[in-house]
Amino acid sequence: QKEVEQDPGPLSVPEGAIVSLNCTYSNSAFQYFMWYRQYSRKGPELLMYTYSSGNKEDGRFTAQVDKSSKYISLFIRDSQPSDSATYLCAMRAGGGNKLTFGTGTQLKVEL
Amino acid sequence: GAVVSQHPSWVICKSGTSVKIECRSLDFQATTMFWYRQFPKQSLMLMATSNEGSKATYEQGVEKDKFLINHASLTLSTLTVTSAHPEDSSFYICSALSGAQETQYFGPGTRLLVL
Repeated sequence: QKEVEQDPGPLSVPEGAIVSLNCTYSNSAFQYFMWYRQYSRKGPELLMYTYSSGNKEDGRFTAQVDKSSKYISLFIRDSQPSDSATYLCAMRAGGGNKLTFGTGTQLKVEL
Repeated sequence: GAVVSQHPSWVICKSGTSVKIECRSLDFQATTMFWYRQFPKQSLMLMATSNEGSKATYEQGVEKDKFLINHASLTLSTLTVTSAHPEDSSFYICSALSGAQETQYFGPGTRLLVL
């Protein structure tokens, strides 16, 4: 079993839809959680960074962490075609700096 | 802020030659940088952790004599693929650890094609 599980998709939604992306993990030592967006043939771009459980909102993006369930989510409101990309969840333990990534979910927002 | 650059963005070389890829943190100092490799439609695979002024730490299965890493300053790390072969063709991405935010910022990647 992988430490971080993420549905690879592809996920196709109409423009304006609310998108929900999720990851589950098994390592209870993970305390820092990140979401990266990666466009084709580009490096990952940090979208959200959260520590421990709770919610964090930034514009159209909301990140949720539920440590008791070992489950994290990224919500995208009013999705746009420019949101079409692969979304990677990543996490790390408190004492280290190495990230463990999910496999990434490919999202396509259609007109 | 937190911008990381890579050079070159793509390179084509003949089998047997060596290729150097540079990773720079442009607006912050990074004592730690990371080198990843990514195959099509797959996630990032950590190759090594590069620490300024010391030897890199390689992940299991990564040949340190083949992938030479040098982190000579707080803003520059280099990855040299020595005696490259077609199976080394891949997308190489670096990241730099921002101490202030305790997270990694990634470069745009370097696409290597070995003929």
